Amino acid sequence: QKEVEQNSGPLSVPEGAIASLNCTYSDRVSQSFFWYRQYSGKSPELIMSIYSNGDKEDGRFTAQLNKASQYVSLLIRDSQPSDSATYLCASSSGGSNYKLTFGKGTLLTVNP
Amino acid sequence: DVKVTQSSRYLVKRTGEKVFLECVQDMDHENMFWYRQDPGLGLRLIYFSYDVKMKEKGDIPEGYSVSREKKERFSLILESASTNQTSMYLCASSELGPPYEQYFGPGTRLTVT
Repeated sequence: QKEVEQNSGPLSVPEGAIASLNCTYSDRVSQSFFWYRQYSGKSPELIMSIYSNGDKEDGRFTAQLNKASQYVSLLIRDSQPSDSATYLCASSSGGSNYKLTFGKGTLLTVNP
Repeated sequence: DVKVTQSSRYLVKRTGEKVFLECVQDMDHENMFWYRQDPGLGLRLIYFSYDVKMKEKGDIPEGYSVSREKKERFSLILESASTNQTSMYLCASSELGPPYEQYFGPGTRLTVT
């Protein structure tokens, strides 16, 4: 069974700090990885995707991928209260790349 | 911007009713998906479609069926609604090839009483 594991949290950080969200995956042939943000009562919104080992930066967000360790992370710099949400990690499902396997999400709270 | 819309934000139905949830995307995506999301269980794939009239079962297809008569529209059907189908239903779409990014609609909160 292909799995994506995340700490459920809640992860609490002060405003302005760096929030670090982590994810591990079991399917060694997974190629693509995604981070979604989901506000309470809303649908998931794609914020980052990463396909190659290393770092990918987009504004205050940095995604990190280590395929050897089967590990993906998301760093949020200068965290804002508006970043408070559940963050979902997802991986492509190996042989059927268009299907994604989602983690259950990490709840992030940024305190003013 | 990708736009995925769902027919209702909130829906209340009675046990045994036939329920139709509709999803429309405007980005000419080949792939469309139906998920349900429940607290503690995360997102679970019900059905997906990779082309018109083509469909495949996801992880929890029991009690559901789907229809895709046009590329932009993907319908989820609850043949006889039950209380354990009370959930948030999310539709998503993606392109056929890489990068396989899925874009979600706003969701339908279905309550079956």
